[in-house]
Amino acid sequence: GENVEQHPSTLSVQEGDSAVIKCTYSDSASNYFPWYKQELGKRPQLIIDIRSNVGEKKDQRIAVTLNKTAKHFSLHITETQPEDSAVYFCAASKNTDKLIFGTGTRLQVFP
Amino acid sequence: GAVVSQHPSRVICKSGTSVKIECRSLDFQATTMFWYRQFPKKSLMLMATSNEGSKATYEQGVEKDKFLINHASLTLSTLTVTSAHPEDSSFYICSANPRGPGNTIYFGEGSWLTVV
Repeated sequence: GENVEQHPSTLSVQEGDSAVIKCTYSDSASNYFPWYKQELGKRPQLIIDIRSNVGEKKDQRIAVTLNKTAKHFSLHITETQPEDSAVYFCAASKNTDKLIFGTGTRLQVFP
Repeated sequence: GAVVSQHPSRVICKSGTSVKIECRSLDFQATTMFWYRQFPKKSLMLMATSNEGSKATYEQGVEKDKFLINHASLTLSTLTVTSAHPEDSSFYICSANPRGPGNTIYFGEGSWLTVV
């Protein structure tokens, strides 16, 4: 089955700097790759997603890149703000079916 | 937008008892729903796929007799934790996808289960 690895597990950046989180997946049939932000005890919030027919997608300060050949995808947050501090999860799926999540990254943005 | 509602949000039960958690799609029909479990400071782990009108599909390592899933209608899936033990204490969350594959996934609010 699918296996998703995520790095780093923790990431501390200064406000205004960029943050990058990377994930790799194992199942070449996966074609949907969402990124979620999760506050403690809350449901995951979709922040951006990408499908396998696209190499890059951007939404304001957030971007995701996908390399299908290498089976890895990355989340890029630019001009980080303290409110970006949270736990971020990547996930992989076939056709937005069941999601296999990465292990999570705790991002801390210091003022 | 599509809404998935989960109930209860928090529940405390005694060891050995059973607890039922409901997941409802409020404005769409869902032939398939998914149940996840999340331990504190850990990732979300897929437990099972709930299939309307048929048996659930469980992920490897998940005890089907302990985590009973019923998907009797197109808008409701239930997860029953049977003979609960303290190690079952966790955050349980469901998801559903309107109109099947290819569309956005929506999550319920999640349910905190504490077994004492």
